[in-house]
Amino acid sequence: RKEVEQDPGPFNVPEGATVAFNCTYSNSASQSFFWYRQDCRKEPKLLMSVYSSGNEDGRFTAQLNRASQYISLLIRDSKLSDSATYLCVVTRSNDYKLSFGAGTTVTVRA
Amino acid sequence: AAGVIQSPRHLIKEKRETATLKCYPIPRHDTVYWYQQGPGQDPQFLISFYEKMQSDKGSIPDRFSAQQFSDYHSELNMSSLELGDSALYFCASSLDTYTGELFFGEGSRLTVL
Repeated sequence: RKEVEQDPGPFNVPEGATVAFNCTYSNSASQSFFWYRQDCRKEPKLLMSVYSSGNEDGRFTAQLNRASQYISLLIRDSKLSDSATYLCVVTRSNDYKLSFGAGTTVTVRA
Repeated sequence: AAGVIQSPRHLIKEKRETATLKCYPIPRHDTVYWYQQGPGQDPQFLISFYEKMQSDKGSIPDRFSAQQFSDYHSELNMSSLELGDSALYFCASSLDTYTGELFFGEGSRLTVL
């Protein structure tokens, strides 16, 4: 079983819609959590860190549920430019190793 | 702002040849990571360096080796190339080895024919 699992999607949504998806992690010792965005054939870019209390950055909201071992990303008022693959990244507290999820693909249509 | 620089951006090699990829991290970043991403795959961790010393090793084949030099740039050497080595190779750097905040280069696309 992979340390980090994501629903690959794709999530096809119209502009203006809200889309949300989760990422589950298997190691309870996981410490830090991040969402990265990757456009086709481009490098991953940090979208946002995920804090214990949850955090919001504009139209993006990230939540952490330690009890159920998952993080979530919600995108409100979707834009065409939000079309991308969203990668979940988790670091472990004991050795700080990073684990990437396989990514969730979001396609926003006009 | 300076970003992570990778070269070459594209590389075409024949089977059994050798390839070298270079990475120049963001200034003052002390950790460099190498990732391999095949088509439709998530980035697979290969190897990392902290202050010019290998800090972690992932699924890097024995045919591959890497090092970090005194100026902090890193090189990934790949020998006896196989068709399956065709992938996008990303280098990333981070200011703090204990966080997951990585800054990726644009990648080097290797095609093995």
